Amino acid sequence: GAGVSQSPSNKVTEKGKDVELRCDPISGHTALYWYRQRLGQGLEFLIYFQGNSAPDKSGLPSDRFSAERTGESVSTLTIQRTQQEDSAVYLCASSRKTGPGTEAFFGQGTRLTVV
Amino acid sequence: GNSVTQMEGPVTLSEEAFLTINCTYTATGYPSLFWYVQYPGEGLQLLLKATKADDKGSNKGFEATYRKETTSFHLEKGSVQVSDSAVYFCALDTGGFKTIFGAGTRLFVKA
Repeated sequence: GAGVSQSPSNKVTEKGKDVELRCDPISGHTALYWYRQRLGQGLEFLIYFQGNSAPDKSGLPSDRFSAERTGESVSTLTIQRTQQEDSAVYLCASSRKTGPGTEAFFGQGTRLTVV
Repeated sequence: GNSVTQMEGPVTLSEEAFLTINCTYTATGYPSLFWYVQYPGEGLQLLLKATKADDKGSNKGFEATYRKETTSFHLEKGSVQVSDSAVYFCALDTGGFKTIFGAGTRLFVKA
């Protein structure tokens, strides 16, 4: 597609339920990132994928969070047993390569509300 | 560790006023520096970047100069417009993959 696509755009879920967020990167982009943006705060790094290399999961806040990506295609971020503190906008970004000055292209995000 | 600090908002200006949004960073090595912008209802997009000391990034009338001696990358525009109202994020990348973002500064421009 022309840009990074995320779905759903909005998700309201009950506390304790599992949710799955989807990201379609730009075709040909080998790098994919997930960030979390809490209301009024900056972007919190969650996880990074680069091609077929092992992902960098160092930003995942707890073992309730996991993400998958097959090759250079779609990625899913799963949050198990959601808590109210998980409410945020989850942003996905992709880039063609890593290296100095590489631009990241962002999706419009999934707004997750846990009630 | 690597970090970015930018001025807190919101910043409210009248149209045609001069804009400065301060950004300072802490990083090992020689990072690349970025400003991203998030317009209402849209995703983040790159505004400008600089990859080495003394470089000046510019776009849409905005400028920022990479100052290694002061570890700063302040965003400036000589005459803001209502359409510049957005959230601005300063960011750095040390050549790895975890682009680090500041907290964002919301700008309101009044007609």
